[in-house]
Amino acid sequence: EVQLLESGGGLVQPGGSLRLSCAASGFSFSSYDMTWVRQAPGKGLEWVSAISGSAYSTFYADSVKGRFTISRDNSKNTVYLQMNSLRAEDTAVYHCAKRISSGWTDYWGQGTLVTVSS
Amino acid sequence: EIVMTQSPATLSVSPGERATLSCRASQSVNSNLAWYQQKPGQAPRLLFYGASARATGIPARFSGSGSGTEFTLTISSLQSEDFALYYCQQYNNWPLTFGGGTKVEIK
Repeated sequence: EVQLLESGGGLVQPGGSLRLSCAASGFSFSSYDMTWVRQAPGKGLEWVSAISGSAYSTFYADSVKGRFTISRDNSKNTVYLQMNSLRAEDTAVYHCAKRISSGWTDYWGQGTLVTVSS
Repeated sequence: EIVMTQSPATLSVSPGERATLSCRASQSVNSNLAWYQQKPGQAPRLLFYGASARATGIPARFSGSGSGTEFTLTISSLQSEDFALYYCQQYNNWPLTFGGGTKVEIK
C-alpha cells in the first residue's frame, strides 16, 4: 500500500523558513517523480514543485521559484521542500504526491499545514 | 502557462441524476489530462488519467472524455458519496496547472 506522510508544517513569521518532509512507503521510491501541491484555505489546488526520480531534474511554479527548493533522499525514501522568504500567500496545506513519470499524480498525502503570519 | 477553466463552479444535482462537469484548456494538452475528486479534510483522489482512463477502483458510473482543449467528466447516476469537489489538471506542459474546481452539491 502506498503511503505518503508529510511533516514539518507550522506557524512561521513572514520572511521565515520551513522545511517540509514527506516519507514514502509501499513503492519503489527512486523510480518515481515526486511533487508538492498546495491548497490555501478554502481555495483550489496549486502545483508547487516536482523532482525526478534521480533528482536530476527539478521544476517550480513561478510563484515559488527562487524561494523554494525541492530535494530528495532516495536512501531514506523521503522528499523535501525547503521554503525560504515565506509570505502570507504561502499559507496552505502542502501535499506531497507520487507522480507517474511525465504524467499524472496517482497518490497523495494528507498534507501538512503551513501558516505564515506575524 | 496553460490556464484550465472548469465549469460550472457549483453543480446542484439530485441523487440518481446525471452530472456533467467541463474542463477547458487555454491551448491543447492532447490527452494529458487528469481528474481528481476531493472531499472535505481529505487528500485528492485520482479518478482519470489520459482524459478517459479510469483509475483503479473508480466505479463505472464515472466516465471521462475529450482531447485537445475540451474535456468532460460525467457521473451517470449520482450517489451520496459522489458529492465532492472535482478538479482537472493538465500535465502536458510545465508548469502543471489545475482548474479551479467544480463543487457537486446535493440539490
